[in-house]
Amino acid sequence: KNEVEQSPQNLTAQEGEFITINCSYSVGISALHWLQQHPGGGIVSLFMLSSGKKKHGRLIATINIQEKHSSLHITASHPRDSAVYICAVEGGGADGLTFGKGTHLIIQP
Amino acid sequence: KAGVTQTPRYLIKTRGQQVTLSCSPISGHRSVSWYQQTPGQGLQFLFEYFSETQRNKGNFPGRFSGRQFSNSRSEMNVSTLELGDSALYLCASSLGAGGNYGYTFGSGTRLTVV
Repeated sequence: KNEVEQSPQNLTAQEGEFITINCSYSVGISALHWLQQHPGGGIVSLFMLSSGKKKHGRLIATINIQEKHSSLHITASHPRDSAVYICAVEGGGADGLTFGKGTHLIIQP
Repeated sequence: KAGVTQTPRYLIKTRGQQVTLSCSPISGHRSVSWYQQTPGQGLQFLFEYFSETQRNKGNFPGRFSGRQFSNSRSEMNVSTLELGDSALYLCASSLGAGGNYGYTFGSGTRLTVV
């Protein structure tokens, strides 16, 4: 069974700061997903990674397959980035997605 | 194009009853997966359907079941409801099986069991 650990659990930062959220997993995977969940429950898929790095606007996601580690970066953070960010992995012997506990991010103006 | 539609948005049921939740995927998407989210356990995978066949199932009791219709719409059913079944139930659709094409999530159904 894949164990997915995220850090930090909670993060409060000032507007404009560079944000990093980390995710590590225990068993090799076929893909890793970064998800964003706002209050009210809706989930938005930000990235799907199997190797390397992806960028979308102010968001950057990287994955190191050998280290079993991924990071989500937010540049020039804004209060609208406040949300829960969830790492989920696919494969590695488990059926379906296995999720981390999430990182609760608050960006203060 | 329309997103993933889940109905109903909110539901209150009594312990012992059964409930059916519905998920309409994005047009053209053939895979639907279901998840349970609770404050204690976080997000957990329930099952995935592809072309009307259950492809994967998570570690949940047999009270949790689902099905997928020929138009790819999916339903999940929980029988003999328990207080611990109170949760946000999310579905996600994907073009193909296994999520290799990424997932689009619905807004969820919030189930409260009293």
